[in-house]
Amino acid sequence: KAGVTQTPRYLIKTRGQQVTLSCSPISGHRSVSWYQQTPGQGLQFLFEYFSETQRNKGNFPGRFSGRQFSNSRSEMNVSTLELGDSALYLCASSLDTGINEKLFFGSGTQLSVL
Amino acid sequence: DQQVKQNSPSLSVQEGRISILNCDYTNSMFDYFLWYKKYPAEGPTFLISISSIKDKNEDGRFTVFLNKSAKHLSLHIVPSQPGDSAVYFCAASHYGGSQGNLIFGKGTKLSVKP
Repeated sequence: KAGVTQTPRYLIKTRGQQVTLSCSPISGHRSVSWYQQTPGQGLQFLFEYFSETQRNKGNFPGRFSGRQFSNSRSEMNVSTLELGDSALYLCASSLDTGINEKLFFGSGTQLSVL
Repeated sequence: DQQVKQNSPSLSVQEGRISILNCDYTNSMFDYFLWYKKYPAEGPTFLISISSIKDKNEDGRFTVFLNKSAKHLSLHIVPSQPGDSAVYFCAASHYGGSQGNLIFGKGTKLSVKP
């Protein structure tokens, strides 16, 4: 079974631009969560989608948005990029949305904002 | 306010010895705890979990201990191997929650020296 696939692997953008990151979950997984990882803050929850509906949202500004498609694939978008948005963005999928469901993470998209 | 704290950013251990990684939490509602391991350039992978009805859970070389009164959990790796060198994240939630309720610590980088 293929794992969680995130594209692109690396991305360089400049301040003010927008970016879209893509995540393909493991086949059969219906829940997709997004996390931001920075050296100083660790893993911070962005949002969770289940059956195309946003279930939870973390404490991030409205510039961060996401969506999930009917095939469970998910995208996240960051508009008006700031230097502080430079981070590793991780997507994780799970069969269901319960906390006892293991999260399977992709390798992430490393975003650098110049 | 950091609800899940991993106070040691790094830990160095000799191969064959025990590695002890610590995690403290502040929210008394947390009753489900997990450890994830992350290698460079890869996403985190699930390692082991424990619910508050237990005080110990074991899986091969990995054991997690939970001290509810102290709001403290620890991960023991015995014996430590060079392949265990990675960043370890502690995470906590309440059992009825969803993936969006999972709170991660900032991680501890373990280095196992041959």
